[in-house]
Amino acid sequence: GAGVSQSPSNKVTEKGKDVELRCDPISGHTALYWYRQRLGQGLEFLIYFQGNSAPDKSGLPSDRFSAERTGESVSTLTIQRTQQEDSAVYLCASSLVGSERNTIYFGEGSWLTVV
Amino acid sequence: GNSVTQMEGPVTLSEEAFLTINCTYTATGYPSLFWYVQYPGEGLQLLLKATKADDKGSNKGFEATYRKETTSFHLEKGSVQVSDSAVYFCALLKRAGTALIFGKGTTLSVSS
Repeated sequence: GAGVSQSPSNKVTEKGKDVELRCDPISGHTALYWYRQRLGQGLEFLIYFQGNSAPDKSGLPSDRFSAERTGESVSTLTIQRTQQEDSAVYLCASSLVGSERNTIYFGEGSWLTVV
Repeated sequence: GNSVTQMEGPVTLSEEAFLTINCTYTATGYPSLFWYVQYPGEGLQLLLKATKADDKGSNKGFEATYRKETTSFHLEKGSVQVSDSAVYFCALLKRAGTALIFGKGTTLSVSS
């Protein structure tokens, strides 16, 4: 597609349920990033993929969070047993390769509300 | 560790006023520096960047100069417009193959 696509754009879930957030990066982009933005806060890095592997997953806040990527394309961020503190916008981004010379493009985010 | 600190908002200006949004960073070595902008209802977009000391990034009338001696990358614009109202994020990239580290964002509101 023309840009990074994320779905769902909005998700309301009950505390304790699992959620999956999907990211379709720009075609051909090998680097993919997930960030979280809580209300009034900056962007927190969660995980970085280069191809199918995740060389940096240091930002995942707990073992309830996991992410996978298949075939250098789609990535899914899964949050198990959601808590109210998980409410945030989850942003996905991609770039050609993980290089400062390559612009990182962001999707519009998935707004998650845990009630 | 690596971090970015930017001025607290919101910043409220009248049209045609001069804008400065301060950004300082902490990092070893020579990171690349970025300003991203998030317009209402839209995703983050790269505004400008600088990859080495003394470089000046510029776009849409905005400028920022990479100052190694003061570890700063302040964003400036000589005459803001209502359409510049957005949230601005300063960010650094330590090296290739790592992720951007963002500041908390500064909300700019410009009135006519």
